[in-house]
Formats: sequence, structure tokens, C-alpha cells
Amino acid sequence: GDSVTQMEGPVTLSEEAFLTINCTYTATGYPSLFWYVQYPGEGLQLLLKATKADDKGSNKGFEATYRKETTSFHLEKGSVQVSDSAVYFCALRGLTGGGNKLTFGTGTQLKVEL
Amino acid sequence: EPEVTQTPSHQVTQMGQEVILRCVPISNHLYFYWYRQILGQKVEFLVSFYNNEISEKSEIFDDQFSVERPDGSNFTLKIRSTKLEDSAMYFCASSLQGADTEAFFGQGTRLTVV
Repeated sequence: GDSVTQMEGPVTLSEEAFLTINCTYTATGYPSLFWYVQYPGEGLQLLLKATKADDKGSNKGFEATYRKETTSFHLEKGSVQVSDSAVYFCALRGLTGGGNKLTFGTGTQLKVEL
Repeated sequence: EPEVTQTPSHQVTQMGQEVILRCVPISNHLYFYWYRQILGQKVEFLVSFYNNEISEKSEIFDDQFSVERPDGSNFTLKIRSTKLEDSAMYFCASSLQGADTEAFFGQGTRLTVV
């Protein structure tokens, strides 16, 4: 079945550091790929998405490129801020079933310090 | 901005008791979902609901679980006889349509079974 693997946290960075959170997936065909973010005390929010190979999703300075050849969707940001501290979830929406089920990774906690 | 709200934020219950987790999806959305995350593990799909019936469910969603949309605004998850392993964060989500539309998540209900 579909699965998502993302790097374990917590990841602790200094402000303005470069961020990479790795995500790889296993799925049949060409799933849609997502990054969700959960700030403390809030729900999961869609951060960015990509629906086909080589698409780049971007939002709030974060980027991720859909790499079919490496089955990856790594999240990057060039310069993190303290306000980026949150838990980041990689997810895919596969083609099986009704097509509206999300398969998530475990989440990676990011802590950004001054 | 419209949001999905879940109540309570934290519920403690004794093993064997019934619990009902409540969610108010975004008002014009048609698809509703429950996910859960056991501490340290992946966010797992439980069930999707459309047109007053279950459209897809996972193998986790056994006879102990049920969902209902009792009126025009609430969407509930009932666990009939809770077990220790039901302790988790439960997320409700809704989307305007099914595939290819964004799912909006609530902040979660932390269920602790003692």
C-alpha cells in the first residue's frame, strides 16, 4: 500500500539557517504530494502541494519538488525564522479507493532558535 | 476565515467506556474525514464520509468505531468501548469536494484512555 517516510525530529536550527526535511514515498502511479504544517495548538494546515512529476510547490518561502525518479518530495527553506517552529507532515493522496484519502508521514518537529 | 473546530481538546476516559468526539466541519463542505495519530507514530486515515454514508474506511475502523452527521453541522466519531490503544490525537477534516480539493483540518482532540 501507499506509505510516506520522513526524517525524524526534532530538527533544531538557528534563525536564518537553511532547512531541509526529507520525505520519500511509496505509491502506485502518480500520487499528489503535500506538505502540511501544524503550529502549536492549531490544526494541520496545507503548506504546499504538487500534483505531477517535476512540479514545484511553494508557499511562505518553503519549496518542494516532486521527484518521480527518486520518489521524493523534500521540503526546503533558505532562511528559517523563529515563527517557522512547528511540526511538518509530508503526505500523499493516492489513486486507489475514492482518491480523497491522505497518507501521512510521522511528522518532523522543527525548532528555530534565535 | 472558516475553520474546522473540534471538541473537546482533551478527553480522558476509562477503558471500556464509550466516547464521542465532536467536529464542526466548514459549512459548505461535503466530504468529512477522521484521522488519528498515536504518539510518535504516523497520522493514519480512519474514515471518509459523504452524502450521509461512509465512502471509505481503513482496517483500523472496525465495529468499535462509528461516525454520524446527526444534524447539518456536526460530524461525530464514536468509539463504543475504548481500549488503551485507542489513546491518540484524533483529527477531523473536511473538504469541499473529494479528490483534488484541499482538506482542512481541525486542531485535534487528544484522547487518553486510562
